Amino acid sequence: ETGVTQSPTHLIKTRGQQVTLRCSSQSGHNTVSWYQQALGQGPQFIFQYYREEENGRGNFPPRFSGLQFPNYSSELNVNALELDDSALYLCASSLDSSYNTEAFFGQGTRLTVV
Amino acid sequence: GENVEQHPSTLSVQEGDSAVIKCTYSDSASNYFPWYKQELGKGPQLIIDIRSNVGEKKDQRIAVTLNKTAKHFSLHITETQPEDSAVYFCAASKVDKLIFGTGTRLQVFP
Repeated sequence: ETGVTQSPTHLIKTRGQQVTLRCSSQSGHNTVSWYQQALGQGPQFIFQYYREEENGRGNFPPRFSGLQFPNYSSELNVNALELDDSALYLCASSLDSSYNTEAFFGQGTRLTVV
Repeated sequence: GENVEQHPSTLSVQEGDSAVIKCTYSDSASNYFPWYKQELGKGPQLIIDIRSNVGEKKDQRIAVTLNKTAKHFSLHITETQPEDSAVYFCAASKVDKLIFGTGTRLQVFP
């Protein structure tokens, strides 16, 4: 059984650029959630994907968007990057879309916007 | 509103002592409360969780208690070891999301 993997591990982008982060869910999991973790803070929920559809969204602007593929892997896209987007981006996979189900996190992608 | 408060923000203990981290949530509809351990440069790792129909759960040196009336839940680590040093996050579920606390940095000194 493979765990949750994210790529890349680190990324540096310039303000105004676009970025795509990737996540492979744990084997057997059909749900992926994305979180933003600023330095010294707890993770903040961005959105969840369940069976290729967005299934819940946090307080993030539309320039944060996502996709989920038939194999349940997922992408997080951020357009028009701002300095405040610098953070650790985490994805978590779970067996189903209920928020009462155990969620397993990847190691994260550290995004730096300069 | 939706909020999870976590205390203390930092905690230093001697190896072998106990450590307690406390969280308070605001939404009475929350019914799932996981705890995560995050080591430097890594993603959060689920260490224990509790559901609202249970008041206490234990797994070796780790235990979690839940007081639904007061909307409090706590993590208890006994016989702490240096490898317990990390940042610990509590979280509370809502219908559409998981709300995290702000974290507690635990340092265990040999």
